[in-house]
Parts: sequence; C-alpha cells; structure tokens
Amino acid sequence: GAVVSQHPSWVICKSGTSVKIECRSLDFQATTMFWYRQFPKQSLMLMATSNEGSKATYEQGVEKDKFLINHASLTLSTLTVTSAHPEDSSFYICSARQGGRSGANVLTFGAGSRLTVL
Amino acid sequence: DAKTTQPPSMDCAEGRAANLPCNHSTISGNEYVYWYRQIHSQGPQYIIHGLKNNETNEMASLIITEDRKSSTLILPHATLRDTAVYYCIVSGLTGGGNKLTFGTGTQLKVEL
Repeated sequence: GAVVSQHPSWVICKSGTSVKIECRSLDFQATTMFWYRQFPKQSLMLMATSNEGSKATYEQGVEKDKFLINHASLTLSTLTVTSAHPEDSSFYICSARQGGRSGANVLTFGAGSRLTVL
Repeated sequence: DAKTTQPPSMDCAEGRAANLPCNHSTISGNEYVYWYRQIHSQGPQYIIHGLKNNETNEMASLIITEDRKSSTLILPHATLRDTAVYYCIVSGLTGGGNKLTFGTGTQLKVEL
C-alpha cells in the first residue's frame, strides 16, 4: 500500500534555530500534501496544503513566513520551522492523497515528527 | 465540510465488537464519510470510507444510515491493539473539501 515517510521522527533544537522536516511519498506521486500540527492531548490541526510546483496554501492563523513549505517534486514536501521557539514544540504530521480512488480523498499519513525547542 | 459529533470515549472488551457512532446531520450529497484512527504518538491510519452504501474491508465495517446523517464504524473483534482515538470525518472534493479536518474523535479503550 501507499507509504509516506517523514524525517526526522524527532528533533531537539535550540531556540532561534531553524528545523527542516521532510515528507516523502515512497511508492506514489503526490501533487498535494498536507501538513498538520498536534499539541499534546489535542486533535490534529491542518496548517497548510502543499502543492507541487506552486506556493502552499496556509490555513488561517498559520504564519507562512515562520512555517516555510516547499514541494519541489511529486514525492517530496518539506516544512521548515524558522526561528523556532518553545511554543513551536509540537508533533508535526504530513499526509498525501492516494490516487486511484475515484471521488474520494483518502490520505496516507506519515508517522510524524516530534519537535522540541529548548 | 460538514461537522461531525462523536462521543469522547468508549470502552470495549477484547474480542467483542466495538461500535463507534458518528453524527453528521449537515452532510451534503457529494461528501464522503471517512474513518481514521490514531494510536498514541503515531500518525493517523486510514480505516475505511463510504458515500452511501455500507462498506467492509479487512479492518472494519462502515454502516451509513439511509438519510446519511449518521454512521457507525464497527470493529468486529476488538483487540488491545485497537486502542486508539478514532476520527470520523466528512469531506467532499470541491469547495476546499480536498483537505480533511479532524475533530476531537472518540478515545476507544479495549480492555481484557
């Protein structure tokens, strides 16, 4: 079945530094990927929609200059948290839409990347 | 996308069927019902989806009422590994419906 790989699975960084998280679709092409964030004991919150070859679409309240998204190929999207601060510590999860399911929007999720900012 | 309402938590004995309800009274004709689950500290896992008819796969069954205003996810023989948060999501493909919006889900606890 479709697999989405995220790297790194966890990262610790100092406040003020930038962190890049990669999301790859391993056995299918994904023109659209989605980035979510999840705080402890809360549900997933959609941050942005990543479109191959074009600018990402950010949800209301998400700072596009802080969370840089690049989708340079059909199998790779990256999320860069710039100038990270402790409040950015969270679980970041990407997903990609599987093709071939006519009319439906089934997403495959990565395992997530846990970011801790000291 | 239509909003969904799920009970915050449910318990189920191992080996018994787990029936997880979801209300989506404002669902529109082109919107699908999706079920995902999230085991602690992992990414969500797709379970099943449907439009009008009941669906079954190797993981679960999805029962959608005739008026489509509610549905039930059935795990026929729950195991301890089925303990997770289960999310019912309603979404179409148009009008921004290409994205899935997660609610608070149901925490299912399967016990011995």
